[in-house]
Parts: sequence; C-alpha cells; structure tokens
Amino acid sequence: AQSVTQLDSQVPVFEEAPVELRCNYSSSVSVYLFWYVQYPNQGLQLLLKYLSGSTLVESINGFEAEFNKSQTSFHLRKPSVHISDTAEYFCAVSKTTQGGSEKLVFGKGTKLTVNP
Amino acid sequence: NAGVTQTPKFQVLKTGQSMTLQCAQDMNHEYMSWYRQDPGMGLRLIHYSVGAGITDQGEVPNGYNVSRSTTEDFPLRLLSAAPSQTSVYFCASSYNSGNTIYFGEGSWLTVV
Repeated sequence: AQSVTQLDSQVPVFEEAPVELRCNYSSSVSVYLFWYVQYPNQGLQLLLKYLSGSTLVESINGFEAEFNKSQTSFHLRKPSVHISDTAEYFCAVSKTTQGGSEKLVFGKGTKLTVNP
Repeated sequence: NAGVTQTPKFQVLKTGQSMTLQCAQDMNHEYMSWYRQDPGMGLRLIHYSVGAGITDQGEVPNGYNVSRSTTEDFPLRLLSAAPSQTSVYFCASSYNSGNTIYFGEGSWLTVV
C-alpha cells in the first residue's frame, strides 16, 4: 500500500518570499506523483505531475517539484509567492500499473497562507 | 466540454435518509472515482470504476453504493445517512493509466 506524508499542515509566508511544501511517500512499487491545489470552496486542480523522465517538473505558474527516489520525496517549491497562491496543496501518489493509476492516495494537505 | 459535473452542490440530510450524489463526465473517460474530504484527513477514496459495468471498493466504502451503467455517469448512493458521512464529496475521472485525473467542483453534504 502507498502512503503520503505532508510534513507541514500550515505554512505562513510573506509575499515575494520563497516557499517549500514538503511531501514524502512510501510505496513498495513504482508510483506516479502529483501536486493538486485547492482554492477556498473549490475543487482540486492539478498543479504538476511526475510520471517519468526528468525528475524536475514545473507548472505554468512558477511552481516546481523534484522527484527524489532515494529520499522518497516530492517537495513543491516556488521562489517568490503571491497573495493569489494562498490555497491548500495536496500531494498524492498512484501506482503506475494498470488498475492502480486511477486510485490516488493523498496526503493530509498543507495550507499555504501568503501575507502582504 | 463541461468536464466533471457533480450535483447537488449542497445538501442537508436527516439521519437515516437516503440520497444519490450524481456525477457525469463528457470526456469519454474510462476511469471514474469518488473521494470524500474531511478536515485534516486529505481525500480518501470511497469507490472507483475502470469502465462501464465494473466497480470496486476504495479505502472507505462502508455506507456507500455505486454503479456504472454508462461510461458517462457514476452515481454515489448513501443508503442510510449518518452524521459521520458529513463531508465534501468529489467525483473524479481520467482517460487511462497515467493520464491526468480531473475533479468535479465538490458536493457539500451535511447529515443532521
């Protein structure tokens, strides 16, 4: 079975500061890795994903995450945050095998609050 | 494309009542699933389907039923609502293995 640990439940930062949201996972099989973002009272939107290839993946709004297999981590980073980045962020994994990739296992979420 | 559509968005039930949360997608996705989101718990998988006529249980299936008679629709039934089922419910779909999983806007359910 897979499990995901998001090490911080809340992260407050000031606008234009860098931020790192930490995610570690546990799995006995290969996994796909995802970060989802949820704005207040909305559904989840995919921020970025790692399926294979380059271990550094980027989103269109300046976030990036690096897959580290030896440390079983997939931390999310942004060099300079904006007020509009205030949201809850979820790390998730799924198995890469057929019949497993449609089932996501989520972490408990990290609430990012960007203050002016 | 409307994407993944959930109805109703908000619902209040009395303990013991039954109801169905509707989910429809117009992207011809094979995979569909239901998650519940509770504070501090993240999202947990209730039931999922890999195609019409095929369903299976997720992590927290008790108290819920599903069916998948068509590719487009995947309703979630609460047989006898309990206060522990107060939650936000999300339906999701994806085309195939490794493809992006799309989520609906959520259904807020309160059981009193």
